[in-house]
Amino acid sequence: GEDVEQSLFLSVREGDSSVINCTYTDSSSTYLYWYKQEPGAGLQLLTYIFSNMDMKQDQRLTVLLNKKDKHLSLRIADTQTGDSAIYFCAEESQGNLIFGKGTKLSVKP
Amino acid sequence: DTEVTQTPKHLVMGMTNKKSLKCEQHMGHRAMYWYKQKAKKPPELMFVYSYEKLSINESVPSRFSPECPNSSLLNLHLHALQPEDSALYLCASSLNTGGDEQYFGPGTRLTVT
Repeated sequence: GEDVEQSLFLSVREGDSSVINCTYTDSSSTYLYWYKQEPGAGLQLLTYIFSNMDMKQDQRLTVLLNKKDKHLSLRIADTQTGDSAIYFCAEESQGNLIFGKGTKLSVKP
Repeated sequence: DTEVTQTPKHLVMGMTNKKSLKCEQHMGHRAMYWYKQKAKKPPELMFVYSYEKLSINESVPSRFSPECPNSSLLNLHLHALQPEDSALYLCASSLNTGGDEQYFGPGTRLTVT
């Protein structure tokens, strides 16, 4: 079946950039998504990228897509303590979302 | 407005109880979803409704019974649950099925005793 892989943990200092990486398997995915989940909360849609794009920027967030390698990344510029959360990458596969296991981002002051 | 609301926020129920989870959206979305999320795991899809009709049931046990009374509401009826069913239950909606971005509610934290 389809699979999405992410590293489980990332620790950065406040003010640094964070880069969360993701690999996926479904080459026919039309959309790829990044969701953020804070403790005890639901998933917040951060951004998404259409499969025919290489890059999308939205304020502090930059998404890079390498379709050939099926690699997706989320860069958070000027990371703040409020960015501490779990970040899920998700690919759209046959109309459904396939989530990665999530990357826990810890931001140290 | 991209808000999906869910009630209750927390629910504790015994294995013989019957309870319902509720989800509501007013974005005009025609697709609604139930997910189950265990601690430190990604969400797992349970059910998909499209235009108020059940389109996907991911082999969910019959003790979970979904219902879509209208295009804005989605319920999940619970009966004879097991302790291992304790989890965060997330509702989501999207304009249509087929990959449109899904907006999630805050979830209901369910504990089965």
